[in-house]
Amino acid sequence: EIVLTQSPGTLSLSPGERATLSCRASQNVDSNYLAWYRQKPGQAPRLLIYATSSRATGIPDRFSGGGSGTDFTLTISRLEPEDFAMYYCQQYDRSPRWTFGQGTMVEF
Amino acid sequence: EVQLVQSGAEVKKPGESLNISCKTSSYTFTDHWIGWVRQMPGKGLEWMGIIYPGDSDTRYNPSFQGQVTISADKSISTAYLQWTSLKASDTAIYYCARRGSYGLSFNSFDIWGQGTLVTVSS
Repeated sequence: EIVLTQSPGTLSLSPGERATLSCRASQNVDSNYLAWYRQKPGQAPRLLIYATSSRATGIPDRFSGGGSGTDFTLTISRLEPEDFAMYYCQQYDRSPRWTFGQGTMVEF
Repeated sequence: EVQLVQSGAEVKKPGESLNISCKTSSYTFTDHWIGWVRQMPGKGLEWMGIIYPGDSDTRYNPSFQGQVTISADKSISTAYLQWTSLKASDTAIYYCARRGSYGLSFNSFDIWGQGTLVTVSS
């Protein structure tokens, strides 16, 4: 089973600042199989990025994803008020099995 | 607009059975896998299992195999998550989520239900 470890646990920033979130896998992950979600308090997760770097429908271009192998990154170029939330990375393997990281909280 | 609308919150006693639902609309139900994800209080996301309504092919996370049953009714475009004997540790929010279309988004969940809170307490 591939384990995803996200860092930092909490990121304290201000609106307009840049956020860089990390997701490290215990084994190589196919770049087509890595996604990111945002979960606001009391809401369901929302898909932001799939296949490492492709933005989901309706996601603004301040969100970008990158990485390969075991190290992946989500970058938010300028934080908006709605971006203060929890973020999860997710990977798929062909068992099939989906696993999520433990999350990074972006707080103001 | 594609929607997944889940059934309402439930309060149950240990040992009771439960069936929660996820009604889909505005897309072809049999074209997309539907997964279920657990979120225990204050915790992260755990994938439980997934079903392909087209042929009812179902796969489970080994951690949940035998603990729950996932099913789907094509006639009403609805997926289900079922327990036969609930435990206090089943207290959580349960989300259904649609697997993306074939292509790059196939291995992510592109549309989510609003979640169903299940509370199990004596």
